[in-house]
Amino acid sequence: NAGVTQTPKFQVLKTGQSMTLQCAQDMNHNSMYWYRQDPGMGLRLIYYSASEGTTDKGEVPNGYNVSRLNKREFSLRLESAAPSQTSVYFCASTAASHSSYNEQFFGPGTRLTVL
Amino acid sequence: QQQVKQSPQSLIVQKGGISIINCAYENTAFDYFPWYQQFPGKGPALLIAIRPDVSEKKEGRFTISFNKSAKQFSLHIMDSQPGDSATYFCAASMNQAGTALIFGKGTTLSVSS
Repeated sequence: NAGVTQTPKFQVLKTGQSMTLQCAQDMNHNSMYWYRQDPGMGLRLIYYSASEGTTDKGEVPNGYNVSRLNKREFSLRLESAAPSQTSVYFCASTAASHSSYNEQFFGPGTRLTVL
Repeated sequence: QQQVKQSPQSLIVQKGGISIINCAYENTAFDYFPWYQQFPGKGPALLIAIRPDVSEKKEGRFTISFNKSAKQFSLHIMDSQPGDSATYFCAASMNQAGTALIFGKGTTLSVSS
């Protein structure tokens, strides 16, 4: 099992460029999440997908869009990148069964710099 | 409004000492309280978690203490080791399918040898 994988690992964009961050999990998890991590700010939820076919906004959704492509994949798109979106982005997933703790498994992150 | 407040922001402890990190929450509907550990360049990983029906949970050198009436919980690391040097995040959520975690801002722990 690879767990949660993210591509790319690093990316540098110019202001106004667009890009899609990819996330996939092989644990047959139902729920998937996108977070951003900034120094001193902790992990802030951007969007999440409680189950295949559904997506919801988190704390900081502005400037982002998501697609739950199938049960395995959840992508995050920046349509017009801004320097304020310079951050480390983490994808996470959880089985979200009623009998288990809500343990989230995180990917290794994508470090994005917007110039 | 920050729903989970974590302190201190940074902590330096000598090898063998006790590290204590505190968190406070506001939403009384929260019923799942995990702690995540993150090493530089890596994603966070679950360290230990507690539900409010118990006041303490211990796993090895790591203990969560939970005070439901005060809406506070804390992580204690006994016999702290240099390998424990990492960033620690507390979090809270309702234990329902698909519910998102609300994270504290993190504590950077350095254990000096």
